[in-house]
Amino acid sequence: GQNIDQPTEMTATEGAIVQINCTYQTSGFNGLFWYQQHAGEAPTFLSYNVLDGLEEKGRFSSFLSRSKGYSYLLLKELQMKDSASYLCAVMDSNYQLIWGAGTKLIIKP
Amino acid sequence: TAGITQAPTSQILAAGRSMTLRCTQDMRHNAMYWYRQDLGLGLRLIHYSNTAGTTGKGEVPDGYSVSRANTDDFPLTLASAVPSQTSVYFCASSDLGQGTTGELFFGEGSRLTVL
Repeated sequence: GQNIDQPTEMTATEGAIVQINCTYQTSGFNGLFWYQQHAGEAPTFLSYNVLDGLEEKGRFSSFLSRSKGYSYLLLKELQMKDSASYLCAVMDSNYQLIWGAGTKLIIKP
Repeated sequence: TAGITQAPTSQILAAGRSMTLRCTQDMRHNAMYWYRQDLGLGLRLIHYSNTAGTTGKGEVPDGYSVSRANTDDFPLTLASAVPSQTSVYFCASSDLGQGTTGELFFGEGSRLTVL
């Protein structure tokens, strides 16, 4: 079967750095996405990785290792507004997205 | 720009009644999707459409139907609602094709409660 695993919940301190991991087993691979979802809102796109390595976008970076079936989202200089759920999703060989259950990130002052 | 619009935003429905959730996008995306999101579970695909005139079943299609008569609209119908269909429903669209990432754009969601 296909599955995406990510931690259910993480807590971090304002101003710090946090890394959210995602491991996957899918039928084929056509890219990995990270989305942010604030409570009661729709998911919004954060990043896309299709090749191995690190993609940096401001305070957020996303890393991919296809051989290990592994990705992480790195958030630097955490702000209170970063409190949200972070969803990992992999596009399989049929170009369908397989979603993880999401990681709820709690930021404390 | 409006992007992708869903209606209604919230609805309470008696079991056994029918209901259509509306979804319209103005980005001319070829692909559209309906997901449900339940606490503790990832987004689960109900139905999808890769282009106008075609639809496909997702992971949890039972009890739902869709149509894609044109590029912009992708309504989701519950023919006879059951309490297990209580959920938050998200419509999404993407531009599938060469040179695109397939990034999804989501509507604001429709919260449906079936009693």
